[in-house]
Amino acid sequence: SQKIEQNSEALNIQEGKTATLTCNYTNYSPAYLQWYRQDPGRGPVFLLLIRENEKEKRKERLKVTFDTTLKQSLFHITASQPADSATYLCALGSGSARQLTFGSGTQLTVLP
Amino acid sequence: DAGVIQSPRHEVTEMGQEVTLRCKPISGHDYLFWYRQTMMRGLELLIYFNNNVPIDDSGMPEDRFSAKMPNASFSTLKIQPSEPRDSAVYFCASRATSGRETQYFGPGTRLLVL
Repeated sequence: SQKIEQNSEALNIQEGKTATLTCNYTNYSPAYLQWYRQDPGRGPVFLLLIRENEKEKRKERLKVTFDTTLKQSLFHITASQPADSATYLCALGSGSARQLTFGSGTQLTVLP
Repeated sequence: DAGVIQSPRHEVTEMGQEVTLRCKPISGHDYLFWYRQTMMRGLELLIYFNNNVPIDDSGMPEDRFSAKMPNASFSTLKIQPSEPRDSAVYFCASRATSGRETQYFGPGTRLLVL
Protein backbone atom coordinates (compact mmCIF):
# COMPACT_ATOMS: atom_id res chain seq x y z
CA SER A 1 0.00 0.00 0.00
CA GLN A 2 1.05 3.62 -0.46
CA LYS A 3 3.03 5.03 2.42
CA ILE A 4 4.39 8.50 3.15
CA GLU A 5 6.77 9.05 6.03
CA GLN A 6 7.99 12.35 7.37
CA ASN A 7 11.02 12.45 9.60
CA SER A 8 10.65 12.60 13.34
CA GLU A 9 7.38 13.96 14.56
CA ALA A 10 9.16 16.92 16.14
CA LEU A 11 12.27 18.88 15.20
CA ASN A 12 13.86 21.60 17.33
CA ILE A 13 16.50 23.92 15.94
CA GLN A 14 18.18 27.16 16.95
CA GLU A 15 17.19 30.43 15.33
CA GLY A 16 19.34 31.26 12.33
CA LYS A 17 20.12 27.63 11.49
CA THR A 18 18.79 25.71 8.50
CA ALA A 19 15.92 23.34 9.17
CA THR A 20 15.74 20.24 6.97
CA LEU A 21 12.58 18.17 6.86
CA THR A 22 12.32 14.83 5.06
CA CYS A 23 9.47 13.21 3.20
CA ASN A 24 9.88 9.60 2.02
CA TYR A 25 7.32 7.60 0.11
CA THR A 26 6.84 4.01 -1.07
CA ASN A 27 4.53 2.30 -3.55
CA TYR A 28 3.76 5.61 -5.19
CA SER A 29 4.73 7.35 -8.42
CA PRO A 30 3.74 10.96 -7.85
CA ALA A 31 3.58 13.47 -10.66
CA TYR A 32 4.23 16.25 -8.17
CA LEU A 33 4.85 16.89 -4.51
CA GLN A 34 3.69 19.79 -2.39
CA TRP A 35 4.63 21.17 1.00
CA TYR A 36 2.09 22.80 3.31
CA ARG A 37 2.40 24.66 6.58
CA GLN A 38 -0.15 24.19 9.35
CA ASP A 39 -0.41 26.37 12.43
CA PRO A 40 -2.37 25.25 15.53
CA GLY A 41 -6.10 25.59 15.06
CA ARG A 42 -5.85 26.41 11.37
CA GLY A 43 -5.99 24.65 8.03
CA PRO A 44 -2.89 23.78 6.01
CA VAL A 45 -1.49 26.53 3.80
CA PHE A 46 0.31 25.80 0.52
CA LEU A 47 4.00 26.67 0.35
CA LEU A 48 5.70 25.03 -2.64
CA LEU A 49 5.08 22.56 -5.44
CA ILE A 50 7.74 20.55 -7.28
CA ARG A 51 7.08 18.28 -10.25
CA GLU A 52 8.62 14.88 -10.96
CA ASN A 53 10.87 16.30 -13.68
CA GLU A 54 12.24 19.04 -11.42
CA LYS A 55 15.13 18.60 -9.04
CA GLU A 56 14.88 21.74 -6.98
CA LYS A 57 12.56 24.67 -6.32
CA ARG A 58 13.19 27.80 -4.28
CA LYS A 59 11.01 30.49 -2.80
CA GLU A 60 12.62 33.11 -0.61
CA ARG A 61 14.11 31.18 2.36
CA LEU A 62 12.49 27.91 1.32
CA LYS A 63 14.02 25.19 -0.85
CA VAL A 64 12.56 21.87 -1.91
CA THR A 65 14.32 18.99 -3.62
CA PHE A 66 12.71 15.96 -5.21
CA ASP A 67 14.55 12.72 -5.92
CA THR A 68 12.27 10.21 -7.63
CA THR A 69 15.00 7.56 -7.54
CA LEU A 70 15.35 7.76 -3.78
CA LYS A 71 11.61 8.46 -3.48
CA GLN A 72 12.38 11.38 -1.24
CA SER A 73 11.82 15.11 -0.90
CA LEU A 74 13.80 17.44 1.33
CA PHE A 75 12.37 20.73 2.55
CA HIS A 76 14.82 23.36 3.78
CA ILE A 77 14.19 26.59 5.66
CA THR A 78 17.31 28.73 5.76
CA ALA A 79 17.97 31.40 8.39
CA SER A 80 15.12 29.98 10.43
CA GLN A 81 13.06 32.24 12.68
CA PRO A 82 10.75 31.53 15.63
CA ALA A 83 7.87 32.53 13.33
CA ASP A 84 8.69 29.47 11.20
CA SER A 85 7.56 27.23 14.06
CA ALA A 86 4.65 25.15 12.76
CA THR A 87 3.79 21.70 11.46
CA TYR A 88 4.92 21.03 7.91
CA LEU A 89 3.09 18.50 5.75
CA CYS A 90 4.21 16.95 2.51
CA ALA A 91 1.57 15.86 0.03
CA LEU A 92 1.84 13.72 -3.09
CA GLY A 93 -0.32 14.02 -6.17
CA SER A 94 -0.61 11.92 -9.31
CA GLY A 95 -1.26 13.24 -12.77
CA SER A 96 -4.57 11.52 -13.33
CA ALA A 97 -6.21 11.90 -9.95
CA ARG A 98 -6.89 15.28 -8.44
CA GLN A 99 -6.55 14.30 -4.81
CA LEU A 100 -3.50 14.62 -2.60
CA THR A 101 -2.14 12.09 -0.14
CA PHE A 102 -0.66 13.75 2.94
CA GLY A 103 2.13 12.70 5.24
CA SER A 104 1.64 12.88 8.99
CA GLY A 105 3.67 16.06 9.32
CA THR A 106 6.74 17.26 11.19
CA GLN A 107 6.35 19.75 14.01
CA LEU A 108 9.15 22.29 13.77
CA THR A 109 10.12 24.51 16.69
CA VAL A 110 12.67 27.27 16.14
CA LEU A 111 14.18 28.31 19.44
CA PRO A 112 15.19 31.95 19.94
CA ASP B 1 -11.88 36.61 -1.67
CA ALA B 2 -12.87 35.36 1.78
CA GLY B 3 -11.27 31.98 1.24
CA VAL B 4 -12.93 28.69 2.06
CA ILE B 5 -15.58 29.12 4.71
CA GLN B 6 -16.61 26.38 7.11
CA SER B 7 -19.28 26.26 9.77
CA PRO B 8 -19.59 25.65 12.57
CA ARG B 9 -16.05 26.11 13.83
CA HIS B 10 -16.71 23.97 16.87
CA GLU B 11 -19.36 21.33 17.48
CA VAL B 12 -19.98 19.33 20.62
CA THR B 13 -22.66 16.67 20.44
CA GLU B 14 -23.72 13.49 22.09
CA MET B 15 -23.33 10.04 20.65
CA GLY B 16 -26.18 9.13 18.37
CA GLN B 17 -26.96 12.67 17.28
CA GLU B 18 -26.84 13.88 13.71
CA VAL B 19 -24.04 16.29 12.82
CA THR B 20 -23.93 18.49 9.71
CA LEU B 21 -20.79 20.32 8.67
CA ARG B 22 -20.93 23.01 6.03
CA CYS B 23 -18.48 24.39 3.50
CA LYS B 24 -18.43 27.23 1.01
CA PRO B 25 -15.54 26.88 -1.47
CA ILE B 26 -13.67 29.70 -3.13
CA SER B 27 -15.71 31.15 -5.98
CA GLY B 28 -14.66 29.70 -9.32
CA HIS B 29 -13.06 26.59 -7.85
CA ASP B 30 -14.55 23.44 -9.34
CA TYR B 31 -12.99 20.87 -7.00
CA LEU B 32 -14.02 20.44 -3.38
CA PHE B 33 -12.43 18.07 -0.88
CA TRP B 34 -13.45 16.91 2.59
CA TYR B 35 -10.68 15.78 4.96
CA ARG B 36 -10.55 14.50 8.51
CA GLN B 37 -7.53 15.10 10.75
CA THR B 38 -6.69 13.20 13.92
CA MET B 39 -3.48 12.72 15.86
CA MET B 40 -3.48 9.01 15.14
CA ARG B 41 -4.26 9.02 11.44
CA GLY B 42 -3.18 12.46 10.27
CA LEU B 43 -4.99 14.19 7.41
CA GLU B 44 -7.23 11.76 5.52
CA LEU B 45 -9.24 12.45 2.39
CA LEU B 46 -12.87 11.45 2.83
CA ILE B 47 -14.46 12.45 -0.47
CA TYR B 48 -14.01 14.92 -3.29
CA PHE B 49 -16.28 16.54 -5.86
CA ASN B 50 -15.70 17.94 -9.33
CA ASN B 51 -18.33 20.31 -10.70
CA ASN B 52 -20.65 19.26 -7.84
CA VAL B 53 -20.37 15.55 -8.72
CA PRO B 54 -18.78 13.11 -6.23
CA ILE B 55 -15.72 11.57 -7.87
CA ASP B 56 -14.10 9.46 -5.17
CA ASP B 57 -15.73 8.59 -1.85
CA SER B 58 -13.48 5.65 -1.01
CA GLY B 59 -12.24 7.46 2.07
CA MET B 60 -15.66 7.76 3.68
CA PRO B 61 -15.44 5.58 6.80
CA GLU B 62 -18.86 3.96 6.63
CA ASP B 63 -22.46 4.49 5.76
CA ARG B 64 -22.94 6.84 8.68
CA PHE B 65 -21.07 9.46 6.65
CA SER B 66 -22.61 11.19 3.67
CA ALA B 67 -21.67 14.27 1.64
CA LYS B 68 -23.56 16.40 -0.82
CA MET B 69 -22.81 19.34 -3.07
CA PRO B 70 -26.12 20.76 -4.32
CA ASN B 71 -24.45 23.68 -6.08
CA ALA B 72 -21.04 25.15 -6.80
CA SER B 73 -20.97 27.27 -3.66
CA PHE B 74 -22.10 24.86 -0.96
CA SER B 75 -21.32 21.41 0.37
CA THR B 76 -22.30 19.45 3.47
CA LEU B 77 -20.80 16.51 5.31
CA LYS B 78 -23.28 14.68 7.49
CA ILE B 79 -22.67 12.08 10.18
CA GLN B 80 -25.69 10.13 11.35
CA PRO B 81 -25.56 8.71 13.94
CA SER B 82 -22.37 10.19 15.38
CA GLU B 83 -19.98 8.16 17.54
CA PRO B 84 -17.14 9.22 19.87
CA ARG B 85 -14.56 7.89 17.38
CA ASP B 86 -15.78 10.49 14.90
CA SER B 87 -14.21 13.21 17.06
CA ALA B 88 -11.68 15.01 14.87
CA VAL B 89 -11.07 18.20 12.94
CA TYR B 90 -12.85 18.20 9.60
CA PHE B 91 -11.42 20.35 6.83
CA CYS B 92 -12.89 21.43 3.55
CA ALA B 93 -10.57 22.46 0.71
CA SER B 94 -11.09 23.68 -2.83
CA ARG B 95 -9.00 24.10 -5.95
CA ALA B 96 -9.33 25.24 -9.52
CA THR B 97 -8.89 22.93 -12.50
CA SER B 98 -6.09 24.98 -13.98
CA GLY B 99 -3.15 26.25 -12.05
CA ARG B 100 -0.67 24.63 -9.75
CA GLU B 101 -2.82 21.94 -8.20
CA THR B 102 -2.89 23.97 -5.03
CA GLN B 103 -5.60 23.19 -2.52
CA TYR B 104 -6.96 25.98 -0.34
CA PHE B 105 -8.14 24.84 3.06
CA GLY B 106 -10.81 26.24 5.31
CA PRO B 107 -10.25 26.79 9.03
CA GLY B 108 -11.80 23.45 9.92
CA THR B 109 -14.60 22.27 12.18
CA ARG B 110 -13.53 20.76 15.48
CA LEU B 111 -16.01 18.01 16.32
CA LEU B 112 -16.30 16.39 19.72
CA VAL B 113 -18.75 13.53 20.15
CA LEU B 114 -19.39 12.66 23.79
